[in-house]
Amino acid sequence: DGGITQSPKYLFRKEGQNVTLSCEQNLNHDAMYWYRQDPGQGLRLIYYSQIVNDFQKGDIAEGYSVSREKKESFPLTVTSAQKNPTAFYLCASSLAGGMQYFGPGTRLTVL
Amino acid sequence: GENVEQHPSTLSVQEGDSAVIKCTYSDSASNYFPWYKQELGKRPQLIIDIRSNVGEKKDQRIAVTLNKTAKHFSLHITETQPEDSAVYFCAASRVDSSYKLIFGSGTRLLVRP
Repeated sequence: DGGITQSPKYLFRKEGQNVTLSCEQNLNHDAMYWYRQDPGQGLRLIYYSQIVNDFQKGDIAEGYSVSREKKESFPLTVTSAQKNPTAFYLCASSLAGGMQYFGPGTRLTVL
Repeated sequence: GENVEQHPSTLSVQEGDSAVIKCTYSDSASNYFPWYKQELGKRPQLIIDIRSNVGEKKDQRIAVTLNKTAKHFSLHITETQPEDSAVYFCAASRVDSSYKLIFGSGTRLLVRP
């Protein structure tokens, strides 16, 4: 668990503002993922990446963007096009086909 | 599309009793089934997983069973303790090129002292 970090822990966004959530791992994992969790709900996949410079949309990609320029890093940008971004955002990583380990999460609130 | 249904949504048991949570998946090609425990405000933690070549797996008080024919799998917790209280999520994936996990909606387990 300590090998995956997310920052910030809490983030506040104003209307029309883009914000970027950081996710870093030092586990040498190939794959990384972003999930959104709403209160009392399960986890929904936003984007995932299996290798550097490649990523795929998950089930709820609209209003979000990602990049994977380094193996260790998979930042998520919540754009102004995401109309209801208040949620708990979880990053995860795994070896190819292996179990996913989660970061501590970022709680995003729209002001 | 791919779907995982999880039941019950809430479960309350007396300390020392057993708890069972059940999940059903739709994608017959799924071959990896992890279970996660999430305490309030914390990250999900993997507690046990099973692959499709195995029918049952145990780890101390926790066990998972898999029925590939019926496409369902279950989490069994014996001798429950108050610290088992949390939300439990099942998930399913194909261990191929996608690595995508499809999560169930979660079960809130309350163990009464």
